[in-house]
Amino acid sequence: QVQLQESGPGLVKPSETLSLTCTVSGTSISTYYWSWIRQTPGKGLEWIGYIYYSGSTNYNPSLKSRVTISVDTSKNQFSLRLNSVTAADTAVYYCVRGKDDYVGWGQGILVTVSS
Amino acid sequence: DIQMTQSPSSLSASVGDRVTITCRASQSISSYLNWYQQKPGKAPNLLIYSASTLQSGVPSRFSGSGSGTDFTLTISSLQAEDYATYYCQQRYITPRTFGQGTKVEIK
Repeated sequence: QVQLQESGPGLVKPSETLSLTCTVSGTSISTYYWSWIRQTPGKGLEWIGYIYYSGSTNYNPSLKSRVTISVDTSKNQFSLRLNSVTAADTAVYYCVRGKDDYVGWGQGILVTVSS
Repeated sequence: DIQMTQSPSSLSASVGDRVTITCRASQSISSYLNWYQQKPGKAPNLLIYSASTLQSGVPSRFSGSGSGTDFTLTISSLQAEDYATYYCQQRYITPRTFGQGTKVEIK
């Protein structure tokens, strides 16, 4: 059974960088595509981007200038970095298996942007 | 971006009722449409992909239909565990986009 677990700071200051890691267990990260999706009460579910184990990525154009998704196959992890955050980036962030159909989700991590 | 619009935003229904939720895309997405169920405090769960294919383990009371721009999720006989928020999502092009959700509440 594939399991995903997000980790990282729950509080980030405005203008700083949000960094999250997703640890995958139950399968090799080289088997699937992996995505980040966030959820806010105001904007709902928003796709951030996805990565393949080769490093190939695809980002939401609305975030592309600020986002980097990377993969570490040796640790079976993938990561999200979002630069220059504002209060609008406050959300629950999910790491997810898939690039089209989101079959497996982490439990989600609430990240609040506040000074 | 393709805009996904769900209706209604919320509905109240009783156990045993037939429930229908509609999702409309701002342009044709063929059958590249998924449905998710989300319960409070939990991550979304994939119910249906490719508009009408039931994900493994999902009860057969759930069904999906449609193509092009108009899609429907139907729960044939609502059960207590079905009270949740439902989202549609297009996988036709990036950026992938979701509907705003339909909350199914107890009547």
